[in-house]
Order: sequence, then structure tokens, then C-alpha cells
Amino acid sequence: DAGVIQSPRHEVTEMGQEVTLRCKLISGHNSLFWYRQTMMRGLELLIYFNNNVPIDDSGMPEDRFSAKMPNASFSTLKIQPSEPRDSAVYFCASSPSTRTEAFFGQGTRLTVV
Amino acid sequence: AQSVTQLDSQVPVFEEAPVELRCNYSSSVSVYLFWYVQYPNQGLQLLLKYLSGSTLVESINGFEAEFNKSQTSFHLRKPSVHISDTAEYFCAVSDQGYGNKLVFGAGTILRVKS
Repeated sequence: DAGVIQSPRHEVTEMGQEVTLRCKLISGHNSLFWYRQTMMRGLELLIYFNNNVPIDDSGMPEDRFSAKMPNASFSTLKIQPSEPRDSAVYFCASSPSTRTEAFFGQGTRLTVV
Repeated sequence: AQSVTQLDSQVPVFEEAPVELRCNYSSSVSVYLFWYVQYPNQGLQLLLKYLSGSTLVESINGFEAEFNKSQTSFHLRKPSVHISDTAEYFCAVSDQGYGNKLVFGAGTILRVKS
């Protein structure tokens, strides 16, 4: 299996623009997580889906952020409008069940200028 | 809610020396515990995990961690480190209800010097 696949790996955008990050889960996994990593705040859970349903979105910073799972194998995280403080590495992770670990993608490094 | 404290932000050590990276957690329910490793510009890779059973768990590359419920700790140890072990190590906890929903510590950078 190719693992969790994220695209793009790097994204540079101007403040105010819409940004869409993409994630393909490992086949057969039914849980999906979006994490954000910054120097100041470390690794933060943004949102957690189980069987395509959002279970916990309490980590989503504000209404500018939205996440979807249009099907069982794919997810998007959208930021609209983007701001410089959104600059971070965004990780997607998937898991085959609630009783085991999560598998991480390589991350998307987002820079908002 | 769970939380994780990694007591050392950086640990410098010479090659072939032993190392311990400390991790303490807080939770009101039964937990699963994990150590992940992150190499520069890479994602997180699972190093080892405690789900149940033996409190001492080992990885394939010589690391081990022991779950100590009374001290709420899950320290990571290796008897002899290599240059290639230089990376950032994250301790994570989850409750057994949603065992894959991880709360991470701040990370410890292990720097192995020759």
C-alpha cells in the first residue's frame, strides 16, 4: 500500500486566497484525522472523521476552516480566506479502527504570505 | 480529556550512549500510549505502542518503553544510540473509547553526536 497520500507537499499562497489541501486514506481505513503542526503549538488535532462522519471538530480554529469527506477514501481541508497565521504543516492520518494507531501522511507545508 | 508532558525539549547524547526520553500523561480513563518518530521534513512514523498486555513494549530498532500506571509514565529508552536515531520523538495518548484519536506531547529532539 502507498500509505496516506497528501497533496500538495508545499503550498505558498497570498493572504486572502482560498487554499485546499487533499488527502487520500489508506484503503480499508475508516477513520480520518487532520492535524496541524507549528513551532508554537506543536501537533494539534483539527478534526476527526469516522466512517465519513465528523466526530469531533472542536479543534478547527474558526469558520475559515472546513473539512469534508466526499467519499470513504478522500478528504479535503479548505481554508478561506487564508491568513499568515495559518502557515504550518498540515498532516492527514488514517486508521483502520478505533483500537489501533493512526498512520500519517508526509504533510503539506503551507505558507501564507 | 487527556494531556501529555514531555519533560525535555532537547536531549543531546553521544553515539553508543544510552538514552531515556521522558513522557508523563494525564487521563481520567484507561488509555493507549504511543511513541512516534519524525525525521526532518517527514511525516510521523509509529515507533511503538502500548494497547494492553505486557507493560514493556519494544520496537524493531532497539527502542523500548514501559507503561507505568502508578506513575502515569511511558518513558522511551535505548541502551545504545546511533547517529541515525537523530530525530524528533513524540509521545501520544488516547482513551480506549477512541483509541486512534491521539493527543500529542510537545516532542523531544534527540541529537546524537559522534
